[in-house]
Amino acid sequence: DVKVTQSSRYLVKRTGEKVFLECVQDMDHENMFWYRQDPGLGLRLIYFSYDVKMKEKGDIPEGYSVSREKKERFSLILESASTNQTSMYLCASRSARLIFNEQFFGPGTRLTVL
Amino acid sequence: GENVEQHPSTLSVQEGDSAVIKCTYSDSASNYFPWYKQELGKRPQLIIDIRSNVGEKKDQRIAVTLNKTAKHFSLHITETQPEDSAVYFCAASSWPGGYNKLIFGAGTRLAVHP
Repeated sequence: DVKVTQSSRYLVKRTGEKVFLECVQDMDHENMFWYRQDPGLGLRLIYFSYDVKMKEKGDIPEGYSVSREKKERFSLILESASTNQTSMYLCASRSARLIFNEQFFGPGTRLTVL
Repeated sequence: GENVEQHPSTLSVQEGDSAVIKCTYSDSASNYFPWYKQELGKRPQLIIDIRSNVGEKKDQRIAVTLNKTAKHFSLHITETQPEDSAVYFCAASSWPGGYNKLIFGAGTRLAVHP
């Protein structure tokens, strides 16, 4: 069974803290993505990675960074959390070897920044 | 840049009625169009997809149509049931190029009333 897992379902942090969100996939997918989901705004792409140590900015990268040291793991980092980063964060992965293929999502991490 | 617009943002129907959600895309190179369903508190999951060489695809009560000339595609749900209540996202991507990245619409919240 295909699996994308995220390290936490719920997370509460203080303003200014450094926050790490971890995502792991077991499908040997090349491409991994981080989205944030807010009511009425859909799924907005923060960063994605198409290979180990490779990363590309998405639509809303400001205030975030990422790390991909191993193929199966993609981390989202909030260097200094702010209240406007309170949101649901979804990780996803997708094969780059198939042209038309499904993208799989993780269960999400609901982050609250106080 | 690439953009996918989705309408309506909310849709309320009676059980047994049909529901239609429409999306338009901007990138004429797009050739893959998936639809994802996200039930409350769960991750988005693929329900149907269509490739650019096909005009229509059906899977039981769900169908998707694609008009490449007009750059729009639609999701049709017939004989709706309460379990169809969810947020639906359309998306578009192109291959090669674009890192096989999905561009998502803002989502449609469908409510099916018994």
